[in-house]
Amino acid sequence: SAVISQKPSRDICQRGTSLTIQCQVDSQVTMMFWYRQQPGQSLTLIATANQGSEATYESGFVIDKFPISRPNLTFSTLTVSNMSPEDSSIYLCSVEGVPGLTNTGELFFGEGSRLTVL
Amino acid sequence: QKEVEQDPGPLSVPEGAIVSLNCTYSNSAFQYFMWYRQYSRKGPELLMYTYSSGNKEDGRFTAQVDKSSKYISLFIRDSQPSDSATYLCAMSERHGQNFVFGPGTRLSVLP
Repeated sequence: SAVISQKPSRDICQRGTSLTIQCQVDSQVTMMFWYRQQPGQSLTLIATANQGSEATYESGFVIDKFPISRPNLTFSTLTVSNMSPEDSSIYLCSVEGVPGLTNTGELFFGEGSRLTVL
Repeated sequence: QKEVEQDPGPLSVPEGAIVSLNCTYSNSAFQYFMWYRQYSRKGPELLMYTYSSGNKEDGRFTAQVDKSSKYISLFIRDSQPSDSATYLCAMSERHGQNFVFGPGTRLSVLP
């Protein structure tokens, strides 16, 4: 599987500020995904990020609140903008596939970034 | 009705027990089924990936899919304290796309 590194692993933020989460993959991948995992709830897909195109957002998530960059095939960032306590969650980066084997359908995750908004 | 349902637990079993974890779903179009293990403060780790109905075995883990009942299971044999984690099921209609996750079942294996 791919090695997926996320930074920061955790942070405590003030209401109204923004935080950018970085995701680095050790191999080139076509599709990268950003998920949110709120306490006691399912993983919810925020958006799909493909290199060279705008991210595709799921219902309930908008680009102004969660801008995403995907400058190359190994890196992506998710920004959580104008944060409120409701944004306190774990944010997970994920990729589909196994290096050397495209389109395997398997989804792999980073360690997650745990955000607490005061 | 949620699209994927899973008993949140916690489920406590003694070491060595056989554990059965289950998910039910409502969308008959789901064809791809996955089980993830998530330790506290870690990202989900893929355990099993299956397509359509049937069984798949990998070491102490067996995944079972019954599409007619819209029911999937993960069995853990000879459970160990290191199996203590939250187990998430996930499924999708299309290969590699639009995964829907269950809320997870918290498992504790007591030594």
